[in-house]
Amino acid sequence: QKEVEQDPGPLSVPEGAIVSLNCTYSNSAFQYFMWYRQYSRKGPELLMYTYSSGNKEDGRFTAQVDKSSKYISLFIRDSQPSDSATYLCAMSDASGGSYIPTFGRGTSLIVHP
Amino acid sequence: ETGVTQSPTHLIKTRGQQVTLRCSSQSGHNTVSWYQQALGQGPQFIFQYYREEENGRGNFPPRFSGLQFPNYSSELNVNALELDDSALYLCASSLDRQSTDTQYFGPGTRLTVL
Repeated sequence: QKEVEQDPGPLSVPEGAIVSLNCTYSNSAFQYFMWYRQYSRKGPELLMYTYSSGNKEDGRFTAQVDKSSKYISLFIRDSQPSDSATYLCAMSDASGGSYIPTFGRGTSLIVHP
Repeated sequence: ETGVTQSPTHLIKTRGQQVTLRCSSQSGHNTVSWYQQALGQGPQFIFQYYREEENGRGNFPPRFSGLQFPNYSSELNVNALELDDSALYLCASSLDRQSTDTQYFGPGTRLTVL
């Protein structure tokens, strides 16, 4: 079992839909949770960053962390074709002062007009 | 403020050869991390350099080595290339080794090993 599990998709939705992307993890020491967006042939770009449990909202994006269930989510409201990309979850602990993230394999999202 | 740059963009090598990939970190960043991203997978951590010293290493063999220079740019060297080394190699820089929320990725170098 991998430390971080993420469904690769693809997830295809119509423009304007609410998108839900999820990851599960097994390491209870993870405290820092991130979502990255990666367009084709580009490097990942940090979208959201959350420490410990709770919700965080930034524009159309909302990140949720449920540490008791070891489950994190990213919601995208009013999805746009420009949101079509691969979404990577990542998480880290602070063991030894290192914050090296462990990534999921990414979910491919397609938003069609 | 310039972003993270990597060179070359693409590279084709044959099995057994050696390769050097380069990364220029974002201005003011003293920490560089390297990742390997195979097709359809998430980035896998190779190693991190902080102020010119290795600050952590993932599960990669010793033929993967690196350097960080006084200007905080970095190199990734891979010896004795294998077919499975074909991947996108990503460099990410951050303000310091604890700044997970300020890690910026470059566009990557796509390496193909034949």
